[in-house]
Amino acid sequence: AQKVTQAQTEISVVEKEDVTLDCVYETRDTTYYLFWYKQPPSGELVFLIRRNSFDEQNEISGRYSWNFQKSTSSFNFTITASQVVDSAVYFCALSGPTGANSKLTFGKGITLSVRP
Amino acid sequence: KAGVTQTPRYLIKTRGQQVTLSCSPISGHRSVSWYQQTPGQGLQFLFEYFSETQRNKGNFPGRFSGRQFSNSRSEMNVSTLELGDSALYLCASSLISVNTGELFFGEGSRLTVL
Repeated sequence: AQKVTQAQTEISVVEKEDVTLDCVYETRDTTYYLFWYKQPPSGELVFLIRRNSFDEQNEISGRYSWNFQKSTSSFNFTITASQVVDSAVYFCALSGPTGANSKLTFGKGITLSVRP
Repeated sequence: KAGVTQTPRYLIKTRGQQVTLSCSPISGHRSVSWYQQTPGQGLQFLFEYFSETQRNKGNFPGRFSGRQFSNSRSEMNVSTLELGDSALYLCASSLISVNTGELFFGEGSRLTVL
């Protein structure tokens, strides 16, 4: 069975601080996909990144960066120099390759509050 | 281009009734998936449809069903509503499947069961 654990439930930081959101996953598949989605107060989930299990290269996109480590089954997300607009709920998700495991399994989400 | 459209946005039902929610995907997207979001259980996968066929199903009772039409529009139905079915129901569309790329989500249909 697939499982995603986001142990942090709520994080509060002051603007311009760096913040890391943790994600730990469990799967028996050798091929799998990891995702991060953002849900701002408006409610609509927004895709941030997709990473397949064979690509452990870290990725940076502006103030966002992701650290994928298969050895620890983690896919952590860092926001550098946080801004108030980063306030949202962030979900990590996991999917297998095909068949019954191809459904998306989400973590419980991390509520990030960035104070001015 | 137009995003994912869900209707209705809000609805109130009573226990025992049934409800049908609609989702219009982004033009050209053939995969439509549904999710239930509640404060207690978080985001849970309901099912995915592709080319009018259910490709995958989450761990929900048979009261939850869905279908997809030839134009990729999808509906989900919940029969014999229970209080615990109160939730935000989200629809998402993608070109091929939930795991091959970006999912585009609608704003959701908020169901309240009294």
